Amino acid sequence: DTAVSQTPKYLVTQMGNDKSIKCEQNLGHDTMYWYKQDSKKFLKIMFSYNNKELIINETVPNRFSPKSPDKAHLNLHINSLELGDSAVYFCASSQDSGSSTDTQYFGPGTRLTVL
Amino acid sequence: ELKVEQNPLFLSMQEGKNYTIYCNYSTTSDRLYWYRQDPGKSLESLFVLLSNGAVKQEGRLMASLDTKARLSTLHITAAVHDLSATYFCAGSLSKLIFGQGTTLQVKP
Repeated sequence: DTAVSQTPKYLVTQMGNDKSIKCEQNLGHDTMYWYKQDSKKFLKIMFSYNNKELIINETVPNRFSPKSPDKAHLNLHINSLELGDSAVYFCASSQDSGSSTDTQYFGPGTRLTVL
Repeated sequence: ELKVEQNPLFLSMQEGKNYTIYCNYSTTSDRLYWYRQDPGKSLESLFVLLSNGAVKQEGRLMASLDTKARLSTLHITAAVHDLSATYFCAGSLSKLIFGQGTTLQVKP
């Protein structure tokens, strides 16, 4: 069974489009995250949710909107896609109550390419 | 603000050799993590180091933490090709802050 899953794995789209990435974890964890990994492999946190509540919101354009319908799911919606949004987006989850001191388990990633 | 720096960023080594990856961080970190990432794949947790002097070993990899020096090391013993990957260290202070990653290439 996959612990943290993401869909789709690959996403190719045109500039200006709106797209969503879905994430689900079956680990029973309380906290979920979105990370962006750029072409140089640099990983940066974007958002974190604990029990459906937003707890970390980094300096990310407001075209990015996370949504957590329940604590097992965290989706990422991106409006008006730009070339610079091309990256690999990773979802992750951890058991803790939002202090980021527990090990985070990462999903397989979604490679987004904006043309 | 916590900053994490790794060196080297790229390491090419022969099988059977030993080497060390260094991870420096700028301020107090709750914990120090090491992750492995294979090309095109996800991140896999390797070690969590909780306190000063912590040492953890798994196979040919050994990680250590010196909180006074704000330094963690990942030592590779007798490298094999299967260890080829990118290794990330990450500090945590309310959120994970990753280093730039060290891409390890082990040649037969």
